[in-house]
Amino acid sequence: DAGVIQSPRHEVTEMGQEVTLRCKPISGHNSLFWYRQTMMRGLELLIYFNNNVPIDDSGMPEDRFSAKMPNASFSTLKIQPSEPRDSAVYFCASSRRDSLVYEQYFGPGTRLTVT
Amino acid sequence: AQKITQTQPGMFVQEKEAVTLDCTYDTSDQSYGLFWYKQPSSGEMIFLIYQGSYDEQNATEGRYSLNFQKARKSANLVISASQLGDSAMYFCAMRGRGSNYKLTFGKGTLLTVNP
Repeated sequence: DAGVIQSPRHEVTEMGQEVTLRCKPISGHNSLFWYRQTMMRGLELLIYFNNNVPIDDSGMPEDRFSAKMPNASFSTLKIQPSEPRDSAVYFCASSRRDSLVYEQYFGPGTRLTVT
Repeated sequence: AQKITQTQPGMFVQEKEAVTLDCTYDTSDQSYGLFWYKQPSSGEMIFLIYQGSYDEQNATEGRYSLNFQKARKSANLVISASQLGDSAMYFCAMRGRGSNYKLTFGKGTLLTVNP
């Protein structure tokens, strides 16, 4: 089974540009999560979807961030306009069910650098 | 709200010895799940082990075991027979209904295995 796939793996962009991160969850998983990891704040949940519906977006930092899940096999996280403080590693994860039991499987992450 | 505390920023262990990584948690949920993840220097997040709050037995997965003490709200990870490849960052995390099933992570412990 292929794991969670994220693209691009690395992204370098200039402040003010739009950035789109992509994620393909594991087939059959119906919960999808976007996380951000920085040295200062550790791992933070930005948003999660269950059956393609956003359930909790309280971690989305501000209106510059948006996420979509148009179908069960694809999700995007968009930052517009990007700022240097958005530089971080962004992880996508998926799990079989929105439940206490099922572990989340993480993608390799996208390292975003905003200059 | 949920909170995970990992008090050991860094730990050292000799190869082939056992090591315990500490994790304490705080939650008002009666039912919750506890997880440990490993993050090697390559950056990916690898699921290691899961413990349910109602599980009577401590979880084990190969060389990993979870020392679950519910009354103390602790969920320490024990790695037996350490290997050089165990050198990595280790994160404790939990999910509960009260937090809408969000996975809350601790700050992590950096484990270094010495030859």
